[in-house]
Amino acid sequence: RKEVEQDPGPFNVPEGATVAFNCTYSNSASQSFFWYRQDCRKEPKLLMSVYSSGNEDGRFTAQLNRASQYISLLIRDSKLSDSATYLCVVTPNTGGFKTIFGAGTRLFVKA
Amino acid sequence: GAVVSQHPSWVICKSGTSVKIECRSLDFQATTMFWYRQFPKQSLMLMATSNEGSKATYEQGVEKDKFLINHASLTLSTLTVTSAHPEDSSFYICSARDRTAGRTNTGELFFGEGSRLTVL
Repeated sequence: RKEVEQDPGPFNVPEGATVAFNCTYSNSASQSFFWYRQDCRKEPKLLMSVYSSGNEDGRFTAQLNRASQYISLLIRDSKLSDSATYLCVVTPNTGGFKTIFGAGTRLFVKA
Repeated sequence: GAVVSQHPSWVICKSGTSVKIECRSLDFQATTMFWYRQFPKQSLMLMATSNEGSKATYEQGVEKDKFLINHASLTLSTLTVTSAHPEDSSFYICSARDRTAGRTNTGELFFGEGSRLTVL
C-alpha cells in the first residue's frame, strides 16, 4: 500500500461546479498535512495546510479525519484557472523533514 | 514568501556527460533541502534529502554515485547527474524548508522552479 493515496483522475467539471478530492495516508503518526497545486511543467505550490479542525480559504475547504487517516479538499464554484494537478502531501512523524507526496489528481475545469 | 531558485531551468546534454543543477534559498537558510524527480504524468518522487555539512540521505533505489548531492552552505545544494543517459531525462525539482520553522516538520516547503533535463 502506498503511503499516500489519492483519487485517480482526471476530474472533468464545468465552470461553477463543486469538486472534492480525497486522500488517505497509511502512517497514523503523521504530523502535518498539506494540499499543493502543480500546474503543467511547473513546480508545486502550497495551496493550503490542513488542520485538525478543518480550514477554509475562499472557495477552498480542507478537512482532516485522523481516525480514518483521510484528508479532503473541496473546491466550490470552480474556475477555469483551477485546472491543475492537486497533490496531497503528508509529513510523517519519523524525524527529519521527509515529506510524502500523493500521485496527484488532475482537474480540468471547462467553460 | 520565501524563494527558492533553481538553475538551470532547461538543460540538454549528450549521453555520458555530467550535469549539475543548483538549488538556492534566496531569503532564508535551509539546513535541509530535498531533491525530487518527476517523470511525465507522474508524481514527485523524493530522491534524496540534502543535509548541510553532512552526507545526503538517499531514498531506496536511488544510486548515490549516480546522483551526487552537495550541500556546502545553508543556502545552496547541488545535484550532479553523473554520466547521464537518456533514461535520466526528467524534471528535477528541489525544495527547502526555512530552518527557523524548527524541527517539527510543520513548515511549508518552498520549491525551486525545476530543471528539465534532456539527455540525447
